[in-house]
Amino acid sequence: DVKVTQSSRYLVKRTGEKVFLECVQDMDHENMFWYRQDPGLGLRLIYFSYDVKMKEKGDIPEGYSVSREKKERFSLILESASTNQTSMYLCASSPLSTGGNSNQPQHFGDGTRLSIL
Amino acid sequence: ILNVEQSPQSLHVQEGDSTNFTCSFPSSNFYALHWYRWETAKSPEALFVMTLNGDEKKKGRISATLNTKEGYSYLYIKGSQPEDSATYLCALNTGFQKLVFGTGTRLLVSP
Repeated sequence: DVKVTQSSRYLVKRTGEKVFLECVQDMDHENMFWYRQDPGLGLRLIYFSYDVKMKEKGDIPEGYSVSREKKERFSLILESASTNQTSMYLCASSPLSTGGNSNQPQHFGDGTRLSIL
Repeated sequence: ILNVEQSPQSLHVQEGDSTNFTCSFPSSNFYALHWYRWETAKSPEALFVMTLNGDEKKKGRISATLNTKEGYSYLYIKGSQPEDSATYLCALNTGFQKLVFGTGTRLLVSP
C-alpha cells in the first residue's frame, strides 16, 4: 500500500516563526501536493510538484513556499507564520500522468493540525 | 476557479437506510471526477475516479454515477452501516492532477 507520512499530527508555533511541514511518500510517485482544509471550505491546493526541484503554485500560495530536493520528500514552508495559517494541512502524492489527464487517485497523509499562536 | 458544490452538507441516517448525495459542477471542462471518503483521524481514501459521461462505478455497497452533460455526480450507499460514517469529498481534475474539491458531505450512520 502507498504510504504518505506527514511528520507531525499536531503542531503549535508562534507568530513570525518559520515553520516546516514535512511529507514523505514511499511509492516513487512523481506528483506531490500540499493542501489546507478549513471549516466550511473544501481542500485548497497550496503548491504542487511534478518532479524533483520542480514546483508550481496552486490556488492559495501566498505566505508559503515549498522544497523538493528528493523525489520522496515534499516540504511546505511557512516563511513567517501568521494566525490565519492555523489550519489542517494535508499532503498527497500520485503517479505521473501522461498528458496530464490521469485517472490516478491521489494518496493522502493523515494531516497536520497546525496552530499559530 | 471552478466551483464544485456538494449537497447536503450533512446527513444523519439509521443503520440499514440507503442514502445518496450529490456533487455538482458548472461545466464539463475537466478530465476526471474523484470521490474520496475521509474518516475522522484518518487520511482521505480514494473511492472512485470517473471520466466518461454515463460512467458508473461500484465498490461493495457504494456506487457512483457521472453525468457530465448536466453537471452532476451521485454517490449512493446501500444499506448504510455505522462504519460508513465519514465525510465524502468530490473533486474535479482540472488538468495535470490539479484537484478542485467540494466542501464535502458529512454522513453519520446511527446503529
